[in-house]
Amino acid sequence: NAGVTQTPKFQVLKTGQSMTLQCAQDMNHEYMSWYRQDPGMGLRLIHYSVGAGITDQGEVPNGYNVSRSTTEDFPLRLLSAAPSQTSVYFCASSYGQGAETQYFGPGTRLLVL
Amino acid sequence: QQQVKQSPQSLIVQKGGISIINCAYENTAFDYFPWYQQFPGKGPALLIAIRPDVSEKKEGRFTISFNKSAKQFSLHIMDSQPGDSATYFCAPRPNSNYQLIWGAGTKLIIKP
Repeated sequence: NAGVTQTPKFQVLKTGQSMTLQCAQDMNHEYMSWYRQDPGMGLRLIHYSVGAGITDQGEVPNGYNVSRSTTEDFPLRLLSAAPSQTSVYFCASSYGQGAETQYFGPGTRLLVL
Repeated sequence: QQQVKQSPQSLIVQKGGISIINCAYENTAFDYFPWYQQFPGKGPALLIAIRPDVSEKKEGRFTISFNKSAKQFSLHIMDSQPGDSATYFCAPRPNSNYQLIWGAGTKLIIKP
């Protein structure tokens, strides 16, 4: 049971480039979400999904796209990277939207030059 | 706008001492009050949580105290150890949409 996995661990992008951050979970969780973590700001919700085929925006969705074609995978796409998107990105999952425990992946550190 | 204020930003405690981190909130419609622990290079992990119908919950050296009238809940770490050095987040959950509202975090350092 690998839990929540994220790839890559670290990525450097140039402004304007696009990329996809991968997230997978093997716990059969219905709810998955993406957060970004910036110093002194806690975690901010980017997008979330309550099940395959269903996604919704969180607090800071601009510049990011998501899709959920399977229960296991929830990729996050940066359409045109900007320096303001330099951050650490965490994927999380739980049994349901109201579940009390969210399980986090190890994070992807992204640097946009 | 719901708001959560966590304090202090950073905390240094001697080994064996008591670490206390506070979280104040402005919206009363929360139904779950968790604390998450994050080690460097790792994702946050649920440490301990409390529901509003109890005032205190203890799990080993970790205790949550909840003061509903003051809209505050605190994390107490007794007999603090160097392995407790981490960043701690409060993240109360509104009962309206279940999206956790994260505090800014407290970086705790336990000095040996």
